Amino acid sequence: DAKTTQPPSMDCAEGRAANLPCNHSTISGNEYVYWYRQIHSQGPQYIIHGLKNNETNEMASLIITEDRKSSTLILPHATLRDTAVYYCIVRPNFGNEKLTFGTGTRLTIIP
Amino acid sequence: SQTIHQWPATLVQPVGSPLSLECTVEGTSNPNLYWYRQAAGRGLQLLFYSVGIGQISSEVPQNLSASRPQDRQFILSSKKLLLSDSGFYLCAWSVTLGETQYFGPGTRLLVL
Repeated sequence: DAKTTQPPSMDCAEGRAANLPCNHSTISGNEYVYWYRQIHSQGPQYIIHGLKNNETNEMASLIITEDRKSSTLILPHATLRDTAVYYCIVRPNFGNEKLTFGTGTRLTIIP
Repeated sequence: SQTIHQWPATLVQPVGSPLSLECTVEGTSNPNLYWYRQAAGRGLQLLFYSVGIGQISSEVPQNLSASRPQDRQFILSSKKLLLSDSGFYLCAWSVTLGETQYFGPGTRLLVL
């Protein structure tokens, strides 16, 4: 039961902003949008999460549409080390400990 | 700052042999701890989670078991490994239930 839809792959030029979209049209009011990434053969790395408002941290920005049915993760100045699979997840903040990763978006940063 | 360790990093074991994977967290007290398995092409599967010493919740009944002998130590075990136990085993922690989960580096297990 996939709750999010992401493009399977994307390329981005080094130094440019990488914009990764995610659709979550069936998101519930108590569900947060989380983003993780996984570099080959490493554990997933938490990036950012949000509920309704846009969020920014030292790694990325998260833009959530007003109807909350989609979001975009923005890496403002992509580097080669940002090449990874990016996962968009929706989960409530209580009552479900399971993180369900879909197939994600394989982002390749081009030199 | 908090750090999470897993060992070994890689393990090759014969079918029928026992298993013990260890996870420890530093820099926090009374974390919630999680064991996931990531098999090729099958996404992330939550196996167990623990809210405290000796408290284990199993998400999927199978060949594996978990224990939490100390506050910041989480162990994944098996008495007899199956071929289907091969995969990438990830430990994670969170401050409390429902909060952000942070993953360790993982253990890659190959059962032959």
